[in-house]
Amino acid sequence: GQQVMQIPQYQHVQEGEDFTTYCNSSTTLSNIQWYKQRPGGHPVFLIQLVKSGEVKKQKRLTFQFGEAKKNSSLHITATQTTDVGTYFCLFSSNTGKLIFGQGTTLQVKP
Amino acid sequence: DTGVSQNPRHKITKRGQNVTFRCDPISEHNRLYWYRQTLGQGPEFLTYFQNEAQLEKSRLLSDRFSAERPKGSFSTLEIQRTEQGDSAMYLCASSLVTLGGRTEAFFGQGTRLTVV
Repeated sequence: GQQVMQIPQYQHVQEGEDFTTYCNSSTTLSNIQWYKQRPGGHPVFLIQLVKSGEVKKQKRLTFQFGEAKKNSSLHITATQTTDVGTYFCLFSSNTGKLIFGQGTTLQVKP
Repeated sequence: DTGVSQNPRHKITKRGQNVTFRCDPISEHNRLYWYRQTLGQGPEFLTYFQNEAQLEKSRLLSDRFSAERPKGSFSTLEIQRTEQGDSAMYLCASSLVTLGGRTEAFFGQGTRLTVV
C-alpha cells in the first residue's frame, strides 16, 4: 500500500544547531501535512503543503514540498529545547485515509 | 473546550474483557479517524468515517475490533476479548474535508489501554 519513508528515526542536536527531517514517497501525493507530538502528548497540526515546489515558513520552521510532490522536508533553524518531540509527516491516501510517516524524534541538548 | 474529546483517558482491563472507547469530534467535522499508537512508534491507522459511513478499516485489524459512528457525530471503538498486545494509546482525530480545502486533523488526548 501507499506509504512514505521518513528519516532519520532519531536526531540528537545541541541547542542552536539545525535539524531536518525528510519524507519520501514512491507515488505522487496530493498533499502532505506535518505534525508535532510532544512526549506524552498527542499529534498537533503544524502545516499542510499542497502545491508542487511549495515552501512555507513558520518562524524557525521551513517546510518544503518537492517539485514532483513525492518528497517533503521540515527544517528547524537554531533549535531550542522547546522543539523537543517527534515530528511526523502525514498524507492522504488515494482512498482518503490519513497515513503517518514513521516519525523523527528530536532531542535537543541544552 | 471545543476540541476532540476522548473518554476514558485511561483504561485498565483484564485479558479477555471487552472495552469500549468514545470519541466526540469537533462538531462540524465530517471525518473521524481512529489510530493506535504504541511507545516509540507512529500512529497506526485503524479506521475512518465520513459522516456515519465507515469508509475503510485496516486489514491489520482483527475482527475483535469494531467501530461505529451511528449519527455521524460521536464514535465508539470496541475491542472484544482483549489481549495483552492490545495495550496501546488509542487516538481519535476529526477533520472537515471540503473539496480542495485543508484537511488538517485535530487529535484528542487519547485513551491509554492497559491489558493485564
